[in-house]
Amino acid sequence: GAGVSQTPSNKVTEKGKYVELRCDPISGHTALYWYRQSLGQGPEFLIYFQGTGAADDSGLPNDRFFAVRPEGSVSTLKIQRTERGDSAVYLCASSLSDVNTEAFFGQGTRLTVV
Amino acid sequence: QQQVKQSPQSLIVQKGGISIINCAYENTAFDYFPWYQQFPGKGPALLIAIRPDVSEKKEGRFTISFNKSAKQFSLHIMDSQPGDSATYFCAASEWRVGTSYGKLTFGQGTILTVHP
Repeated sequence: GAGVSQTPSNKVTEKGKYVELRCDPISGHTALYWYRQSLGQGPEFLIYFQGTGAADDSGLPNDRFFAVRPEGSVSTLKIQRTERGDSAVYLCASSLSDVNTEAFFGQGTRLTVV
Repeated sequence: QQQVKQSPQSLIVQKGGISIINCAYENTAFDYFPWYQQFPGKGPALLIAIRPDVSEKKEGRFTISFNKSAKQFSLHIMDSQPGDSATYFCAASEWRVGTSYGKLTFGQGTILTVHP
């Protein structure tokens, strides 16, 4: 019974470097979401995919952030020129469809920019 | 703009007591209100959810009370147990063309500690 899987669990990178965070959603889930959770805060929406396309990227903070889902399953969140303020836990979630209410979250990737 | 406000930030209760967490929202288009439970190092997990057409929903020891006119909803945990110690988040979302129920707006979270 696989849930949403995120890799790596932890990532430490130097300021200015490029990072990729991976999300494997639950098999058959067409909707996929990325969230960012800063310490002591609730998750904040970044981007939502329905199938292969980004249906809503209104939460991406700036153009250093980009995400893809080329085959409609695995998604990668890409962050260019990382800054210390990007340090957070990046959560991925998936749901059966966009009208299905329950979103299942992965355990997150803790990104630390030093 | 903060659209879902949650209180209190932290809560300490004794085993067997009632834990109450409150949330208020601004966007009247929201039509799905879940509560998530998060343990350290884990992702949030759906606990219970409610739609605005009912005023209360109960699942085991967990109850959501919903007040549409006041734009408020709350989580009640009856007979609180040490294993309930976690961070709780209220959230809200809406469905319309181009968006999804999974696009959630979360509250700031409440750290619940249940003493044995």
